Amino acid sequence: AQKVTQAQTEISVVEKEDVTLDCVYETRDTTYYLFWYKQPPSGELVFLIRRNSFDEQNEISGRYSWNFQKSTSSFNFTITASQVVDSAVYFCALSEEYGGSQGNLIFGKGTKLSVKP
Amino acid sequence: AAGVIQSPRHLIKEKRETATLKCYPIPRHDTVYWYQQGPGQDPQFLISFYEKMQSDKGSIPDRFSAQQFSDYHSELNMSSLELGDSALYFCASSPFSGGHEQFFGPGTRLTVL
Repeated sequence: AQKVTQAQTEISVVEKEDVTLDCVYETRDTTYYLFWYKQPPSGELVFLIRRNSFDEQNEISGRYSWNFQKSTSSFNFTITASQVVDSAVYFCALSEEYGGSQGNLIFGKGTKLSVKP
Repeated sequence: AAGVIQSPRHLIKEKRETATLKCYPIPRHDTVYWYQQGPGQDPQFLISFYEKMQSDKGSIPDRFSAQQFSDYHSELNMSSLELGDSALYFCASSPFSGGHEQFFGPGTRLTVL
C-alpha cells in the first residue's frame, strides 16, 4: 500500500540555521512521483517541487535543496540559512502512475517548521 | 499567471444544511482534484475529474457529490452537514492526469455549527 511518513512532527530552529525535513515513502509502483508542498499560516498549499521515480538527481533552487534516494525510499528537503518566512507546515506527497492513487496525492502528516529570529 | 479560484472562501452552515463549493481551474487544465483538510491534519483526497468525467474517488462520504461542467469548473455538493465536516476544502488543477504537479486553490473554509 502507498504511504508517506514524515517522522518529524515539529522542528524549531533559529534564523540562519540549516534544517532538513525527512520524508520516507512506500509504493509498489515502479513509476511514481514525489512532491513537496508548503503551507504557511495563511493556509494555502504552495507547490515546491516534483520528482519522478526515474530521476534521482538532487535539485537545488536557491536556499532549497532536495535529496532523492530510491535505495532508502527517501525524499528529504533541506533549507539552507533558514529565514522567519520559511515558518510553515511542509508536506511531502506521493502520486502513483498506475497504482491505487491514479494521480491523486497521498500526503504525509506534515512537519511544522518554526524559524525564530 | 492565473491561479485556481475557489468560492466562497468562507462558509458557515448549520448541521443538516447543504453546501456547494465551487472551483475554477487554471485555464487549459483538464484535471480537477478535491481534498479535505481537517484541523491539524494532512489533506485527504476526495474525488477527481478528468475531461469532465469522474476519474478517481477517495474517502468521500455518500452525502457528498461532485461534478465537472463543460467549462471545466467543478462543484462539490455537501448535504446533511455534520460537525465533523468542518474543514478546509481545497481544489487543485493539473494540466494532465496522473503524476503531474497539482496547483491548489486558496481553499474554502467550511464551519458547521
